[in-house]
Amino acid sequence: ETGVTQSPTHLIKTRGQQVTLRCSSQSGHNTVSWYQQALGQGPQFIFQYYREEENGRGNFPPRFSGLQFPNYSSELNVNALELDDSALYLCASSRGGENTEAFFGQGTRLTVV
Amino acid sequence: AQSVTQPDIHITVSEGASLELRCNYSYGATPYLFWYVQSPGQGLQLLLKYFSGDTLVQGIKGFEAEFKRSQSSFNLRKPSVHWSDAAEYFCAVVAMDSSYKLIFGSGTRLLVRP
Repeated sequence: ETGVTQSPTHLIKTRGQQVTLRCSSQSGHNTVSWYQQALGQGPQFIFQYYREEENGRGNFPPRFSGLQFPNYSSELNVNALELDDSALYLCASSRGGENTEAFFGQGTRLTVV
Repeated sequence: AQSVTQPDIHITVSEGASLELRCNYSYGATPYLFWYVQSPGQGLQLLLKYFSGDTLVQGIKGFEAEFKRSQSSFNLRKPSVHWSDAAEYFCAVVAMDSSYKLIFGSGTRLLVRP
């Protein structure tokens, strides 16, 4: 059983650019959630995808968008990058539902300069 | 709205000493609760979870947590800390909306003295 993998592990972008982060969910999981973790803080929920449809969104602007593919992998896209978007972006996959645990990837460290 | 409070930003313990990390939650019904651990620059690893049943939950690496409804708490404990336990610890509650997203506390950084 493969775990959750994210790519890239690190990247540096310039303010105003666009970025795409990728996540491969764990085998058998149909739900992917994305979290933003700023330095020294707990992860904050961005949005979730369940069977290729958005299934909940946190308090993030529309320039944060996502996709889920038929194999349940997912992308997080951020447009018009701002300095405050610098953070660790975590992807978590699960089987969906209230009492299923989420498995996290190692994260993508995004630095906006 | 659901929320999680971890009142201790940092905790320092000596190797071999016992540990208790505090977590308080705000939620109207029976919560689903988790403890995760994060090493520097890494993702989150699940230590243990509480869904229902026995209020004392055993997890990996010798950790346990006790759910106390009357105190709205889910404190993490370990009887003897190892140097490798130094990390950031996050308590989380599941939000009971369509996404069942995790709501995290701000974390407690554990430092272990040799």
